[in-house]
Amino acid sequence: KNEVEQSPQNLTAQEGEFITINCSYSVGISALHWLQQHPGGGIVSLFMLSSGKKKHGRLIATINIQEKHSSLHITASHPRDSAVYICAVGHYGQNFVFGPGTRLSVLP
Amino acid sequence: ETGVTQSPTHLIKTRGQQVTLRCSSQSGHNTVSWYQQALGQGPQFIFQYYREEENGRGNFPPRFSGLQFPNYSSELNVNALELDDSALYLCASSLVRESEQFFGPGTRLTVL
Repeated sequence: KNEVEQSPQNLTAQEGEFITINCSYSVGISALHWLQQHPGGGIVSLFMLSSGKKKHGRLIATINIQEKHSSLHITASHPRDSAVYICAVGHYGQNFVFGPGTRLSVLP
Repeated sequence: ETGVTQSPTHLIKTRGQQVTLRCSSQSGHNTVSWYQQALGQGPQFIFQYYREEENGRGNFPPRFSGLQFPNYSSELNVNALELDDSALYLCASSLVRESEQFFGPGTRLTVL
């Protein structure tokens, strides 16, 4: 079993839909990151979470430490949100472990 | 404040050659991590440097080596290149070891 799992693997949505991407992890962590990777490779850090909830624009990220689960929500999705979304967990001072990513396509 | 930069953006090498990739960290960041991302896969951690010392290493052979300079910029060196080394190499800097990571645009290496 992988240390970090994401669901769904692929997601196609219509513009305007509410989107949820899930991340589950099996190890103790000090922080969880949500990353966005557009075609061509560039990675952007969206959120770093250690507890609770964060919001930035149309993006909301939550984490439940007890359940070892995090969700990334996109409200009013737009075609420019099309990208791969990656969950990565950090172990106290050690290397980050990445999930396999969720490929999101938002159709106009 | 400049972001994380990497050079070169693309590189083509042949099997057996050596390559050096460079990363300039974001201003004030003393930690640099390197990742390898094969096509269609998630990034895999190679190693991390904190204040010029290696601070953790992933499951990569010794022919992958690194260096961090006093200005916290970093190099990734790969010797005896193999075809499977073809990948996007990403570096990320952070203010301290466990804080948010800021990624560079990556260097795409092709080994023929």
